[in-house]
Amino acid sequence: EAEVAQSPRYKITEKSQAVAFWCDPISGHATLYWYRQILGQGLELLVQFQDESVVDDSQLPKDRFSAERLKGVDSTLKIQPAELGDSAMYLCASSLSGSGTYNEQFFGPGTRLTVL
Amino acid sequence: GQNIDQPTEMTATEGAIVQINCTYQTSGFNGLFWYQQHAGEAPTFLSYNVLDGLEEKGRFSSFLSRSKGYSYLLLKELQMKDSASYLCAVSLAGKSTFGDGTTLTVKP
Repeated sequence: EAEVAQSPRYKITEKSQAVAFWCDPISGHATLYWYRQILGQGLELLVQFQDESVVDDSQLPKDRFSAERLKGVDSTLKIQPAELGDSAMYLCASSLSGSGTYNEQFFGPGTRLTVL
Repeated sequence: GQNIDQPTEMTATEGAIVQINCTYQTSGFNGLFWYQQHAGEAPTFLSYNVLDGLEEKGRFSSFLSRSKGYSYLLLKELQMKDSASYLCAVSLAGKSTFGDGTTLTVKP
């Protein structure tokens, strides 16, 4: 069964360091999403890609966060420098197409980031 | 703007029925998703409603009223494994806005 892959699963870093997360969506899925979920809270959309293009990054803290999906397949989310408040679960999801009315999202296992 | 409200927590007894409500005020609407998320895990798809009415899938059913901006997830014959967070998400033009989720605890 096709799955969204993410790595690493866990990351511990010190504040001011750089971290990077990787996501490989389900093959053929045009839309890729990065979410942040602070413990006990809902999902916050950080960035949405349609193929290689960013369609929504309005909630991405662009002074420290960056995301790319160069070939429209896998994606990398980077934080530099990390801050204590960045400790959260970072979830990647993909859907077949983001332009239609039905966009069931398939989630990866997430990367749990702890900033010390 | 998008505003989605769900109760923060609910508790129910094994074998019982529980209804989790979701109300929304959004600038547009294509459909509404429900996802289940167990602690420390990723959300998984439960249901999708685009038309008014009840969609039944085994022990889980989801209802939508577009005119009232209201949906609910109905869980029957509760099992201990149903303890999880339940997220409703409003979909518009390929984007989903999630509520903060309802944490359901099922007790013996």
